[in-house]
Amino acid sequence: EVQLVESGGGLVQPGGSLRLSCSASGFTFSAFGMHWVRQAPGKGLEYVSGISNGGDTTYYADSVKGRFTISRDNPKKTLFLQMSSLRVEDTAVFHCVKGRLEGSTRPNYLYYDMDVWGQGTTVTVSS
Amino acid sequence: DIQMTQSPSSLSASVGDRVTITCRASQGIRNDLGWYRQKPGKAPERLIYAASSLQSGVPSRFSGSGSGTEFTLTISSLQPEDFATYFCLQHNSYPYTFGQGTKLEIK
Repeated sequence: EVQLVESGGGLVQPGGSLRLSCSASGFTFSAFGMHWVRQAPGKGLEYVSGISNGGDTTYYADSVKGRFTISRDNPKKTLFLQMSSLRVEDTAVFHCVKGRLEGSTRPNYLYYDMDVWGQGTTVTVSS
Repeated sequence: DIQMTQSPSSLSASVGDRVTITCRASQGIRNDLGWYRQKPGKAPERLIYAASSLQSGVPSRFSGSGSGTEFTLTISSLQPEDFATYFCLQHNSYPYTFGQGTKLEIK
């Protein structure tokens, strides 16, 4: 069974830093891209960042560009999100999400991409 | 960015009812759309991928249709476990974007 378990959330002051982790199991982690998605209280879902299976290609939403860094440790099957210069508006539940299989093309990548989500870890930015 | 407009934002229905939720994309996204169900405090669960393909293990009462800019999720006969929040996701281009969600409540 594919599982994604996030950790590292907590309470941090504005301007502070936090590193989120996502531990993966049940699939060949090194073969799949990965994503982070967040949901602020009472608001909709927002795509945050994505990374290719090898870690050489990354994507960031404009709202976090320059402040957040996505990375991965394939031998340890772990995805990370390093967050700095945190703002009150970054308060949210952060989910890691399994991405597409490396090398997959249409239509197969639609099957692999965004299929499994973790339960999330809560980040609260407040003074 | 591609905007996803989902309607309705909330819906009251009874067990056994047929319901339909719609997502409209601000530009064509082919069939690069998924539908998800989320219960409070739980991870979202994908129901439909590629706009109309049923995720393995998901009951056949769920179906999706559409392509381009108009998409629908239909639940043919509501069950008690279906009262939750539903959202669509486009993954045609970055940044991926989501519908605002539909909260399905028991009438």
